[in-house]
Amino acid sequence: KAGVTQTPRYLIKTRGQQVTLSCSPISGHRSVSWYQQTPGQGLQFLFEYFSETQRNKGNFPGRFSGRQFSNSRSEMNVSTLELGDSALYLCASGVSPGPYNSPLHFGNGTRLTVT
Amino acid sequence: GENVEQHPSTLSVQEGDSAVIKCTYSDSASNYFPWYKQELGKRPQLIIDIRSNVGEKKDQRIAVTLNKTAKHFSLHITETQPEDSAVYFCAAGEDNDMRFGAGTRLTVKP
Repeated sequence: KAGVTQTPRYLIKTRGQQVTLSCSPISGHRSVSWYQQTPGQGLQFLFEYFSETQRNKGNFPGRFSGRQFSNSRSEMNVSTLELGDSALYLCASGVSPGPYNSPLHFGNGTRLTVT
Repeated sequence: GENVEQHPSTLSVQEGDSAVIKCTYSDSASNYFPWYKQELGKRPQLIIDIRSNVGEKKDQRIAVTLNKTAKHFSLHITETQPEDSAVYFCAAGEDNDMRFGAGTRLTVKP
């Protein structure tokens, strides 16, 4: 079974631009979560989607948005990029939310550099 | 929302010794507590998890304990090996709303 696939692997953008990152979950997984990873800050939760609906959102500004499609693939968008947005963006998928969670499976991430 | 604190931020042990990493969480509704290992340049990978109805779980050299009353949980690695060197993240939450600790960089010296 293929793992979580994130594209692109690397991205270089300039301040003020916008960027879209893509995540394809493991087949059969319907929940997708996004995290920002920076040195010293660990994994910061961005948002989680299930069945095309955003279920939870972390403490990030409105410049960070996302969506999920009917095939469970998800995209994350960051508008008006700032230098501080440089980070590794990780996507994780799970079977579904609920009281008996399935573990989150992470993709390799997209490393975004803002210059 | 959930807030997870993880200690220590760095840990260095001699090969063969034990390593313990501790996490505390704030939301009593959290019912799932996974631990992830992230090697340099690689994705975080689940190594062990525990649910709120269990106090302890063991898998070979790795064990996790949970104290729901005190809202803390710990990762124990025994007989450490150089390949255990990595960053370890704890997480807590319910459903798929998982919040992570800041990570512990474990170094095992041969």
